[in-house]
Amino acid sequence: KAGVTQTPRYLIKTRGQQVTLSCSPISGHRSVSWYQQTPGQGLQFLFEYFSETQRNKGNFPGRFSGRQFSNSRSEMNVSTLELGDSALYLCASSLESGGRDEQFFGPGTRLTVL
Amino acid sequence: GDSVTQMEGPVTLSEEAFLTINCTYTATGYPSLFWYVQYPGEGLQLLLKATKADDKGSNKGFEATYRKETTSFHLEKGSVQVSDSAVYFCARPDTGRRALTFGSGTRLQVQP
Repeated sequence: KAGVTQTPRYLIKTRGQQVTLSCSPISGHRSVSWYQQTPGQGLQFLFEYFSETQRNKGNFPGRFSGRQFSNSRSEMNVSTLELGDSALYLCASSLESGGRDEQFFGPGTRLTVL
Repeated sequence: GDSVTQMEGPVTLSEEAFLTINCTYTATGYPSLFWYVQYPGEGLQLLLKATKADDKGSNKGFEATYRKETTSFHLEKGSVQVSDSAVYFCARPDTGRRALTFGSGTRLQVQP
C-alpha cells in the first residue's frame, strides 16, 4: 500500500506570494491533518479534514486555509506569505477520527520564503 | 491544555549504549501515546504506540511502557546503532480536538 505523498517536496517563494501544497493520503484513509514544523515552535497543528469538511483548526491566521476533495486528497494554501512561514509542512492521514488513531505522515513540503 | 514534555537534547551516545528518552504527558483522560521518529530530510514515522495503562509498545528494539501513575512514556533501547540517529517525538491526542500534541523532540546522535 502506498504511503502518504506530498507535492512538491521543495518550494521557494517570495514574501507576498501565495502557495498551494498537495497531499494524497493512504488509500482508504478519510482523515487528513496538516502540521507545520519549525525549529523554534516545533510541530504545530494547522487543521484536519474528514469527508471534505474541516473538523478542527489550530491557532493559525486566516492566511492558512485548506480543503479536501471527494477522493480524500487535500490541499493547503498560504496567502500573502511572510518570512516566518518558512517551514516543513507535514501532512498526515488516518483511517477515521484523526488524532485518536495513529497518524501516518508524508515526507513533507519544505517551504522557503525569501 | 494537553501537553507533552520531553527531555532536552541532543543526546549523544556511543554505539551499543543504552538509551532512555524521557517523556511525560498531562493526564487528561486516558489517551493513546505514541513515539514518532524523524530521520534527516524525512517526515515522521510511527515508531511505537500504547493504547492503555501498563501497555508496552515495542518496535525495532525500542520499547516504551504507558505508566499512568507517573504519567510517563519513556522510550528505551538496550543497544543503539549509528542508524538510530534521528529526532524522536513523543505525542498524545488532544482532548478537545482531533489532533496530535507533540513534545519538542529529542535529537539522538550515535557515534561509532
